[in-house]
Amino acid sequence: DVQLVQSGAEVKKSGESLKISCKGSGYSFSSYWIAWVRQMPGKGLEWMGVIHPGDSDTRYSPSFQGQVNISADNSINTAYLQWSGLKTSDTAMYFCARRGVDGYSWSGFFDSWGQGTLVAVSS
Amino acid sequence: VIWMTQSPSFLSASAGDRIIISCRMSQGISSYLAWYQQKPGRAPKLLIYSTSALQTGVPSRFSGSGSGTNFTLTINYLQSEDFATYYCQQYYSFPWTFGQGTKVEIK
Repeated sequence: DVQLVQSGAEVKKSGESLKISCKGSGYSFSSYWIAWVRQMPGKGLEWMGVIHPGDSDTRYSPSFQGQVNISADNSINTAYLQWSGLKTSDTAMYFCARRGVDGYSWSGFFDSWGQGTLVAVSS
Repeated sequence: VIWMTQSPSFLSASAGDRIIISCRMSQGISSYLAWYQQKPGRAPKLLIYSTSALQTGVPSRFSGSGSGTNFTLTINYLQSEDFATYYCQQYYSFPWTFGQGTKVEIK
């Protein structure tokens, strides 16, 4: 079975750095793009960016470009989302998700999701 | 950026009802649209991709249709487990974007 398992909840102070992880199993990790999605408390889903673990090709939403760094380590089937200076507005649940495949058609939907990592940032 | 307008934001319905959720795009996206269901405290779940393709394991009471700029998700014979929040998502072009969500509540 395809599984994405995320790292545990984090409580941080404003200005601190943080790296959360998403470990894939049950499929060829290097072959499928992994996306990160933010959900602020009581709000909707926001696509942050996506990475291809095989070649580290990465695309960011303009809203998150320069604010976070997305990376991956193929050798341990893990993708990462990193901040160098957290803000209180970064308080949210963060999900990783696998980009699904639709035959030979273009795709960008997410067929498997991690359980989410809650990040709480205080001042 | 492709802007999405999902409606309604809230929908009150009874078990057995048929409901329709709409998603309108600021520009054409061909058929590159997906629908997700999210329950409180849980990750979203893919229901439909490519406008109308049902994800494996999703009940046939869920269906999607549309093209270009207007899309709908229909749920026939609403079941108790269908009360949740639903999101559309376009993947025609970067940045991929989600609709604002529709919360389906029990009447």
